Amino acid sequence: EDKVVQSPLSLVVHEGDTVTLNCSYEVTNFRSLLWYKQEKKAPTFLFMLTSSGIEKKSGRLSSILDKKELFSILNITATQTGDSAVYLCAVENGNYGQNFVFGPGTRLSVLP
Amino acid sequence: DSGVTQTPKHLITATGQRVTLRCSPRSGDLSVYWYQQSLDQGLQFLIQYYNGEERAKGNILERFSAQQFPDLHSELNLSSLELGDSALYFCASSVERKLGLQYNEQFFGPGTRLTVL
Repeated sequence: EDKVVQSPLSLVVHEGDTVTLNCSYEVTNFRSLLWYKQEKKAPTFLFMLTSSGIEKKSGRLSSILDKKELFSILNITATQTGDSAVYLCAVENGNYGQNFVFGPGTRLSVLP
Repeated sequence: DSGVTQTPKHLITATGQRVTLRCSPRSGDLSVYWYQQSLDQGLQFLIQYYNGEERAKGNILERFSAQQFPDLHSELNLSSLELGDSALYFCASSVERKLGLQYNEQFFGPGTRLTVL
């Protein structure tokens, strides 16, 4: 059965800190890995990763995928209170159409 | 604003009843996905439609069904509702691309919060 594990489940940091969120997965036919940010509403897309070793970057956020070791990390540098959210990792299984399996999320709280 | 719309925003109903949730995808998106998010289960993929046809099925109960219409909007029907069906139901859409050429990201609607009393 496809599975996505995220760690830590919860994290409290202060503004300016750098954080690393982890996502490991088991999927029968990997197609892509996606990161989402969810505040009080719907998840919003951050990154899609398909190839190992290629870092994707957007401002203070960056992410990289290791398809050999089956994990991805999401880094946030110089955190701000607005980064407080649940960060979701999802893996796309290409076996039958597109089936997305989501991890439980990491709840990040950034204190002023 | 993702461009995906869902109605209604909130729905309160009783056990045993049937409800219909509606989703309009972003303009040009052919795929629609339904998800259920509850406190203890996280985000669970229910079902995907592509251009009117069922494409993938996740952990969708037999009491639930969905369809996608020719104008690409989708409806999720939930029947014989139970207390445990109370959750946030999200619809997402994406542009389906041919396997091997490109990959998809999903854009989520604001969700419908269903409360079963």
